[in-house]
Amino acid sequence: QKEVEQNSGPLSVPEGAIASLNCTYSDRGSQSFFWYRQYSGKSPELIMSIYSNGDKEDGRFTAQLNKASQYVSLLIRDSQPSDSATYLCAVNYNNDYKLSFGAGTTVTVRA
Amino acid sequence: EAEVAQSPRYKITEKSQAVAFWCDPISGHATLYWYRQILGQGPELLVQFQDESVVDDSQLPKDRFSAERLKGVDSTLKIQPAELGDSAMYLCASSITGEQPQHFGDGTRLSIL
Repeated sequence: QKEVEQNSGPLSVPEGAIASLNCTYSDRGSQSFFWYRQYSGKSPELIMSIYSNGDKEDGRFTAQLNKASQYVSLLIRDSQPSDSATYLCAVNYNNDYKLSFGAGTTVTVRA
Repeated sequence: EAEVAQSPRYKITEKSQAVAFWCDPISGHATLYWYRQILGQGPELLVQFQDESVVDDSQLPKDRFSAERLKGVDSTLKIQPAELGDSAMYLCASSITGEQPQHFGDGTRLSIL
């Protein structure tokens, strides 16, 4: 079974700090990786996608992918109270284009 | 920015009743997905369409759930009869192709009494 594992948290960080989120996946054939942000009671919102090893930066967000170790991470720099949400890691297994989601990591940014 | 439209936003019904959800994907998106998300868990794929064809419905409880996308645009997910365990958020997502990022609608929060 294809699995995506995340620390459930909650992860509490002070405002202005870096929040570091990790995700591991089981299928070495995975090709596409996504991070979604989900506010309480709302639907997931795509914030980052990454397809190749290394780092990808978009504003205050950096995604890191290491296919050899089968993990993908998300860094949130200069964390703001508005970043308080659950972050979902999703992995696309290209043989069937299905997204498998982790259970999410809840982040709380303390003002 | 184009959005995935879903209705209703909330649905409360009694067990054994029928319930239906509607989704209109972003224009031009050929791939449409229905997910179920139980509180505290990640979304779980129920069914995936490519245009009007079902690509994957392996996790769809077919004894009570059905889904269709007759003209390859909007889609309907139905539950008949609803059970208490069906209480969840039902999310619709679409993408240009199966390889591209998926964009989610606001979801339908279903509560079964």
